[in-house]
Amino acid sequence: GAGVSQSPSNKVTEKGKDVELRCDPISGHTALYWYRQRLGQGLEFLIYFQGNSAPDKSGLPSDRFSAERTGESVSTLTIQRTQQEDSAVYLCASSAGQGRVGSTEAFFGQGTRLTVV
Amino acid sequence: AQSVSQHNHHVILSEAASLELGCNYSYGGTVNLFWYVQYPGQHLQLLLKYFSGDPLVKGIKGFEAEFIKSKFSFNLRKPSVQWSDTAEYFCAVNADNQGGKLIFGQGTELSVKP
Repeated sequence: GAGVSQSPSNKVTEKGKDVELRCDPISGHTALYWYRQRLGQGLEFLIYFQGNSAPDKSGLPSDRFSAERTGESVSTLTIQRTQQEDSAVYLCASSAGQGRVGSTEAFFGQGTRLTVV
Repeated sequence: AQSVSQHNHHVILSEAASLELGCNYSYGGTVNLFWYVQYPGQHLQLLLKYFSGDPLVKGIKGFEAEFIKSKFSFNLRKPSVQWSDTAEYFCAVNADNQGGKLIFGQGTELSVKP
């Protein structure tokens, strides 16, 4: 596609429910990132996928959070047993990742606004 | 751990004023540096980037940034801001020992008064 696509754009869920957020990166991009942006705060790194390498999960805040990526395409971020503090905008980005790793521009989606009530 | 600090949380300027937003990072090795901008209601987009070479880089819309390795800084500047520059600005760093991991600062909200 033309850009990074995320769905849903908005999600309201009850505390304790599981949610799944989807990201479709730009075709051909080998690198994919998930970030969390809480209201009035910066971007918090969650997880990074690069090609077939093991993902960097160092930013996942708890074992309730997990993410998968199918090859070099779609990624899903799953939050189990959601809590109110999980309310945030979840951003996905992808980059070509060619040549020097990390040296290319990351393109962001519009994000999924998650509200846990 | 690698970190990125943006000194100003909220900056308010009048049109035509000069802008400088600070960004410092903690990693001492080779880095790639970025500034992203998020206009109201829009997604993050790249403003400019530094990989190597001339430490003064120019981006879109008249923005520029200077990489000062000795100060671990990558400050964003614009000589004369416009109302349309009202946005949130994020500095980001990728270090050579972090693979492709991109770490962001906490962001600076810029409000330009017409």
